[in-house]
Parts: sequence; C-alpha cells; structure tokens
Amino acid sequence: GNSVTQMEGPVTLSEEAFLTINCTYTATGYPSLFWYVQYPGEGLQLLLKATKADDKGSNKGFEATYRKETTSFHLEKGSVQVSDSAVYFCALGSNSGYALNFGKGTSLLVTP
Amino acid sequence: GAVVSQHPSRVICKSGTSVKIECRSLDFQATTMFWYRQFPKQSLMLMATSNEGSKATYEQGVEKDKFLINHASLTLSTLTVTSAHPEDSSFYICSAKAPQAEQYFGPGTRLTVT
Repeated sequence: GNSVTQMEGPVTLSEEAFLTINCTYTATGYPSLFWYVQYPGEGLQLLLKATKADDKGSNKGFEATYRKETTSFHLEKGSVQVSDSAVYFCALGSNSGYALNFGKGTSLLVTP
Repeated sequence: GAVVSQHPSRVICKSGTSVKIECRSLDFQATTMFWYRQFPKQSLMLMATSNEGSKATYEQGVEKDKFLINHASLTLSTLTVTSAHPEDSSFYICSAKAPQAEQYFGPGTRLTVT
C-alpha cells in the first residue's frame, strides 16, 4: 500500500543554516506529493506540492523536487529562520490532489 | 487562505460517554471533508472521508459504529466518538476541500478519556 517515510527529528539548526528533511514514499500509480507545516497551536498548512515526476514545488524559500527514480521528495531551504521552527509533514496524495498518507512529522527548531 | 475550525479544541470525558467534535469550513463550501487521527509522535491516519449528503467512507480498521460521521451541510461535519474508552484518547484533525481546490486543515481537537 501507499506509505511515506520521513526522517526522524527533532532537528535543531542555527539561523541561516541549510535545511534538508528527507522524505521517501511507496505508492502505486502516480500520486501527488506534499509538504505541510504545522506551527505551534495551529492546523496543518500546505507548504508546497508537486503533482508529477520532476516537478519542483517551492514556497517561502522552501523547495522539494518529485524524484520518481528515487521515490523521494526531500524538503530543502538554503537559509532557515527562527520563524521556520515548526513540525513538517511529508504527505502522499491521490491523483485528485488531496493528501491521504502522512509521514510522522519532523520537528524543526531554529535557534538565533 | 481558507479557514477550517474545530470545536472543541480540547475535551475531557469519562469512559462510556459520547463526545461530538465539529468541523466547520468558515469561508468556503466543503463538498468533501476528511477526519484524521494523530497519536503522539505518529503520523496522521486517515479515518474516513465524507461527502456532503452521503454516507462517510471509512478506512480499513476504523469502526463506523464507534466513530459516527455526519456531513449534513456544505460547511459542517461532525465526528461523534461513541462509548469512548481511554484508548480513544488522541488528537483528531479534520480537513475540508471544495471541488478543484486544495485541502485545508483544522487546528485539531485533543480528546482525553478518563
């Protein structure tokens, strides 16, 4: 069945450091891939998405590329800020474009 | 962006009682709503998908008689946990979407059954 595996946290970085959060998936067909972010006390917010192989999703300085050959969708940001501290979820979705399978989430703490 | 609310945000109930959680789309009509459950340090697990005006579709292993879902209007879905037990304690999250639109998540409801 479909599943998502993402790196365990917590991840602690200094401000302006480079961020990578790994995500790999198992799926049949051609799913959409998502990254969601959850700030403390808030609901999940869509950060970025990609709907087909080699697509790159980007938003707020974050990027992730849909790699079918490695079944990966790693999240990257070149220079993190304290305000990026949150929990990040990788998710796999249906072809209709909604998220159904989530990874366990990776907590990111960025220190000044 | 669109807003989805959940009520209550936290609830504590005694074992054997039933609890209702509401999920509302505040500024759009949600033809489809989803209910998820999240255990500590675990991923969100999809429990059921509900379309307005029809019966919910439950994921394998989710008891439909225990987790009653009603999606009576385009802005409201309710999840009722019947005869709750301590093992039902969890974080319940809903999401809502309109046709051809993205999915928006609520802030979640923390249920504690004593």
